[in-house]
Amino acid sequence: DAMVIQNPRYQVTQFGKPVTLSCSQTLNHNVMYWYQQKSSQAPKLLFHYYDKDFNNEADTPDNFQSRRPNTSFCFLDIRSPGLGDAAMYLCATSRGGQGVSQPQHFGDGTRLSIL
Amino acid sequence: GEDVEQSLFLSVREGDSSVINCTYTDSSSTYLYWYKQEPGAGLQLLTYIFSNMDMKQDQRLTVLLNKKDKHLSLRIADTQTGDSAIYFCAELPYGQNFVFGPGTRLSVLP
Repeated sequence: DAMVIQNPRYQVTQFGKPVTLSCSQTLNHNVMYWYQQKSSQAPKLLFHYYDKDFNNEADTPDNFQSRRPNTSFCFLDIRSPGLGDAAMYLCATSRGGQGVSQPQHFGDGTRLSIL
Repeated sequence: GEDVEQSLFLSVREGDSSVINCTYTDSSSTYLYWYKQEPGAGLQLLTYIFSNMDMKQDQRLTVLLNKKDKHLSLRIADTQTGDSAIYFCAELPYGQNFVFGPGTRLSVLP
């Protein structure tokens, strides 16, 4: 089945130690998104790629960066994680882009813990 | 700005119907979506409705849309324990990204 896969499911890192979360998709969607979700809250969009074009949300901290080496893969890099960055990180994909009302398909997320 | 509102909690008895309500603000949204999130998992697309429709039925799920009042509801017939989850309503305003509601936590009691 075509899907969105996030690895690892659980990630533990130390305060200030860089960490990378990965997402891959077999849907061949041209848009990929990264969301942060804290407990009992709605997902908060961090940034997205429309093809190779990177779109950062205005309130995404500089600590968060992303790479998309090809259509299938997208990475979330947290340069110096703080305790407040502990959350579930969700990757999603969709076909098209802004103004195109295609649903987003989500992976199962990576739960990040900071020690 | 855009805002999507939902009640935060709903409890129903197994076998009863559940109705989860949502209000949204942007009339340019072409589609409106319902997502389900089980504990520790991502968001699963349940169903969506085109804005020129007023009802969509898919097995146990019925979506009702009142475009005039910008009100969306999700009815789950014969609610089961496996339906316990958080349900997110989302709109996609034209030219923008998804706007999610805060989620409604559905608890199904035996």
